[in-house]
Amino acid sequence: AQTVTQSQPEMSVQEAETVTLSCTYDTSESDYYLFWYKQPPSRQMILVIRQEAYKQQNATENRFSVNFQKAAKSFSLKISDSQLGDAAMYFCAYRSGETSGSRLTFGEGTQLTVNP
Amino acid sequence: NAGVMQNPRHLVRRRGQEARLRCSPMKGHSHVYWYRQLPEEGLKFMVYLQKENIIDESGMPKERFSAEFPKEGPSILRIQQVVRGDSAAYFCASSTYRGNEQFFGPGTRLTVL
Repeated sequence: AQTVTQSQPEMSVQEAETVTLSCTYDTSESDYYLFWYKQPPSRQMILVIRQEAYKQQNATENRFSVNFQKAAKSFSLKISDSQLGDAAMYFCAYRSGETSGSRLTFGEGTQLTVNP
Repeated sequence: NAGVMQNPRHLVRRRGQEARLRCSPMKGHSHVYWYRQLPEEGLKFMVYLQKENIIDESGMPKERFSAEFPKEGPSILRIQQVVRGDSAAYFCASSTYRGNEQFFGPGTRLTVL
């Protein structure tokens, strides 16, 4: 079974600075997808960024980018120019690319605080 | 295009009562997933349904929990004889087809007294 581990329960960053959230995963599959979701206090799950395992290029969405290290099974999220609105719980998630794969497997989350 | 709708947003039940949680997927989505988030934890997969079919229920507790997604109407997650340990946020997500991006609803917060 696949597992996702987020080793940082809490992180903090100063406004306008850069922060990196860590995520590692364990799988024997070669085809899969990785995601970062944001959960603000409203508890709505918001997709931040996704990465296909077959793509070598790291995904980027505006101020959010990932460092995908397939061999190391590492998938970290970098937030540049942090804003107060970035404060939230961040979850790393895995989904199998196999035809039977549909469920998302989530890590335990990292609570990000942004200090003004 | 409305997003995934869940109701109620908050539900309070006493131990032993039944809880019914509803999920209306996005328009054009025929695949529904239910996840549970216990306090201070990440989301855990419960069940994956297509219209009139349960595709994967490997994450559902064996007793008291059931789910359906009828041809017409919302998907229902039903919890019978609730216990305090069922207190959690229950999220529904939907997608257009299997393996495609899942869009999440706002969740239902269940509190069992």
